Amino acid sequence: QSALTQPPSASGSPGQSVTISCTGTSSDVGGYTYVSWYQQHPGKAPKLLIYEVAARPSGVPDRFSGSKSGNTASLTVSGLQADDEADYYCSSYAGSDVVVFGGGTKLTVL
Amino acid sequence: QVQLVESGGGVVQPGKSLRLSCAASGFTFSRYGMQWVRQAPGKGLEWVAVIWSDGSNKHYADSVKGRFTISRDNSNNTMYMEMNSLTADDTAVYYCARGLSTGYSDNWFGAYWGQGTLVTVSS
Repeated sequence: QSALTQPPSASGSPGQSVTISCTGTSSDVGGYTYVSWYQQHPGKAPKLLIYEVAARPSGVPDRFSGSKSGNTASLTVSGLQADDEADYYCSSYAGSDVVVFGGGTKLTVL
Repeated sequence: QVQLVESGGGVVQPGKSLRLSCAASGFTFSRYGMQWVRQAPGKGLEWVAVIWSDGSNKHYADSVKGRFTISRDNSNNTMYMEMNSLTADDTAVYYCARGLSTGYSDNWFGAYWGQGTLVTVSS
């Protein structure tokens, strides 16, 4: 159960797009379509942005999109807004009925 | 609306035990798998455990296996986490979470989260 690898930080200016990567192995990200992404503001509970690689729950803007290629999943935030500044986490099913999270990425809106 | 409320956190000495609760409302609790996820102070999220809707299957992260026990009482709409042999590494905010729907894949992500309860293991 090794953590997925995310860049510690990412940044972009308002209106720009930023992509956050999440690298795992063939035993987790690459082996299943159960990749999720969460946004977490300081002191708050995580909020689900993306599930099953690219599906968006009701109420999540389409500025947030997910994809996967091989062992790497990606979250793209388009049209950056000030409120997008937060921590972002990926997670994946890792077989044997367990889940693994990434270390998190702090997104800064310049 | 879906509501999850954790309780039972507090300060506990190393080696001692603690039981957390997650009270659910706003949905048919017995139809949904549930999870615990924790977050150490200033650190990232860590998945802890999952329990099937009927309690028939339970799975744990290696870091807590053999020390933590997840359970649920569907008649009282409550999930529990019994934590034994606590160490400083277990210090974290513990969240309970539920998926979007009742399918198998919904056991692997959290669409609804509680506000968390803080567990501090310290002498």
